[in-house]
Amino acid sequence: DGGITQSPKYLFRKEGQNVTLSCEQNLNHDAMYWYRQDPGQGLRLIYYSQIVNDFQKGDIAEGYSVSREKKESFPLTVTSAQKNPTAFYLCASSITANTEAFFGQGTRLTVV
Amino acid sequence: SQQGEEDPQALSIQEGENATMNCSYKTSINNLQWYRQNSGRGLVHLILIRSNEREKHSGRLRVTLDTSKKSSSLLITASRAADTASYFCATDAAGAQKLVFGQGTRLTINP
Repeated sequence: DGGITQSPKYLFRKEGQNVTLSCEQNLNHDAMYWYRQDPGQGLRLIYYSQIVNDFQKGDIAEGYSVSREKKESFPLTVTSAQKNPTAFYLCASSITANTEAFFGQGTRLTVV
Repeated sequence: SQQGEEDPQALSIQEGENATMNCSYKTSINNLQWYRQNSGRGLVHLILIRSNEREKHSGRLRVTLDTSKKSSSLLITASRAADTASYFCATDAAGAQKLVFGQGTRLTINP
């Protein structure tokens, strides 16, 4: 089955810890995105990538980092510099920014 | 910064009624998309309308686009309880090569 997979579904982070969220797609899409969603809010763009080995900051990139070493994978690291990381994180992919995006089921990150 | 803003933020109607949501955006676009999100889940694509199109239909969905006003509307006809969800518009901000979402409209269909 083609699709986009995020893992884990739930993640708990201690203060001062870095954590990495996984996003994998087998749709052969060039573009991939990371969004953050706070309760009752819209999606805010963290990072996006249009091609392997290239990515750009979105609107709220501070405290986050990404890599795009393979077309299929776009992991997001939430660093200790992100002071309020508790949120729902969504990964998406598309052929280009002008086409339909497919979303993963999300990772809910909680700071404990 | 959010490219799109939906209106209203929340909408509650009776089953069988029509639901209309609006989206406004700031910059020129290549296309505008509408997505649906059930609580705690990922988003699902509903419909894409290109900047040179004015209206598009898909089943019970009707989308309009007015590029002169930088606005779009999503109409869901004959609503069902299963339509209860949040609905988001997304734009590609022409030239920016990124997909930006609005704040969403929370739609509740009462049986």
